[in-house]
Amino acid sequence: ILNVEQSPQSLHVQEGDSTNFTCSFPSSNFYALHWYRWETAKSPEALFVMTLNGDEKKKGRISATLNTKEGYSYLYIKGSQPEDSATYLCAPDRESGNTPLVFGKGTRLSVIA
Amino acid sequence: EAGVAQSPRYKIIEKRQSVAFWCNPISGHATLYWYQQILGQGPKLLIQFQNNGVVDDSQLPKDRFSAERLKGVDSTLKIQPAKLEDSAVYLCASRRTPPFHTIYFGEGSWLTVV
Repeated sequence: ILNVEQSPQSLHVQEGDSTNFTCSFPSSNFYALHWYRWETAKSPEALFVMTLNGDEKKKGRISATLNTKEGYSYLYIKGSQPEDSATYLCAPDRESGNTPLVFGKGTRLSVIA
Repeated sequence: EAGVAQSPRYKIIEKRQSVAFWCNPISGHATLYWYQQILGQGPKLLIQFQNNGVVDDSQLPKDRFSAERLKGVDSTLKIQPAKLEDSAVYLCASRRTPPFHTIYFGEGSWLTVV
């Protein structure tokens, strides 16, 4: 089973602060990286699917970058709002479609108004 | 398109009882996943199906958990007998043949074992 690490485990920020977290994964046989946002009692929601080294994706105040050679991705939130409070999860896809899809333990973000 | 359906949403059982969760994936999605998420931890993959074949079940506690996906569509996850540490959210997810495609999750089945 793949080792996917996310840091920090949890984060508390003030409303308006910008923040970022990391997802680390094995770089071998990399195909794609998924970022998800999960609010309690709701379904995890897809944020980004990234495939290319150096790729940068943006959705509103949230953006992500990808380094496939060293095996990491950063997720950035600019001007955090209370509604950004959630757990952010990442999962790498390997080249072969028939491999287990393993998520990291997530980063739990709490934005204090 | 309709999302991933799961039932029941909530279940409370006593330890040593049994429970079954049902999942109906999005139509046309060949890959189906069951994850267990214990409070404060990330989702742990229990089993991954490709159509009705098992891709990985290395983290499924097979002495008490079982899962099947008949005809490559719906899936059930059973726990028998349940233990206190099985209290968790059980998430079902599906997608078209990987890799790359977006994974769609159900709302989860919340299990409390008392």
